[in-house]
Amino acid sequence: GNSVTQMEGPVTLSEEAFLTINCTYTATGYPSLFWYVQYPGEGLQLLLKATKADDKGSNKGFEATYRKETTSFHLEKGSVQVSDSAVYFCALSDPMEYGNKLVFGAGTILRVKS
Amino acid sequence: ETGVTQSPTHLIKTRGQQVTLRCSSQSGHNTVSWYQQALGQGPQFIFQYYREEENGRGNFPPRFSGLQFPNYSSELNVNALELDDSALYLCASSEGTSSYNEQFFGPGTRLTVL
Repeated sequence: GNSVTQMEGPVTLSEEAFLTINCTYTATGYPSLFWYVQYPGEGLQLLLKATKADDKGSNKGFEATYRKETTSFHLEKGSVQVSDSAVYFCALSDPMEYGNKLVFGAGTILRVKS
Repeated sequence: ETGVTQSPTHLIKTRGQQVTLRCSSQSGHNTVSWYQQALGQGPQFIFQYYREEENGRGNFPPRFSGLQFPNYSSELNVNALELDDSALYLCASSEGTSSYNEQFFGPGTRLTVL
């Protein structure tokens, strides 16, 4: 079945450091890929997405490139801020499956220190 | 435009009881999905409703059931509550069921089963 694997956290960085959160996936079809962010006490917000190979999703300084050859969708940001502290979820939606259900990774906690 | 709303925010029940959670979808959205997020884990797909019909179900027992109403709002019902049902329940709405359709999440209902 479909699955998503994320690097384990928590990830602790100083402000302005470079961020990478690894994400790899397994899918029977050709999935759409997403990064969601969850701030403390809140629901999920879509951060960025990519729907085909070599697509780059970007938003608020975050980027991720859909790499079909390595089945990866790593999240990067050049300079993190304290306000980026949150839980980040990688997810996929497989068009070969009925409906557009999302399959999530376990999440990676990011803590940014000032 | 009103986003996805959920009620109640928090709920405490005892083992064996029944609970109903409610979700109002974003305006113009005809698809609602429900997810269970246990503490420290990624959300798990429960089921999806499209135009009042169930449109896919995850690996949850039949005591998890749902409804979608003509205005596309939705309910999640859980019978015979168990301690492991304690979780954040997230509702998400989208314009359709394509894997390209973005899902918009509500803030969630925190269920505690004692």
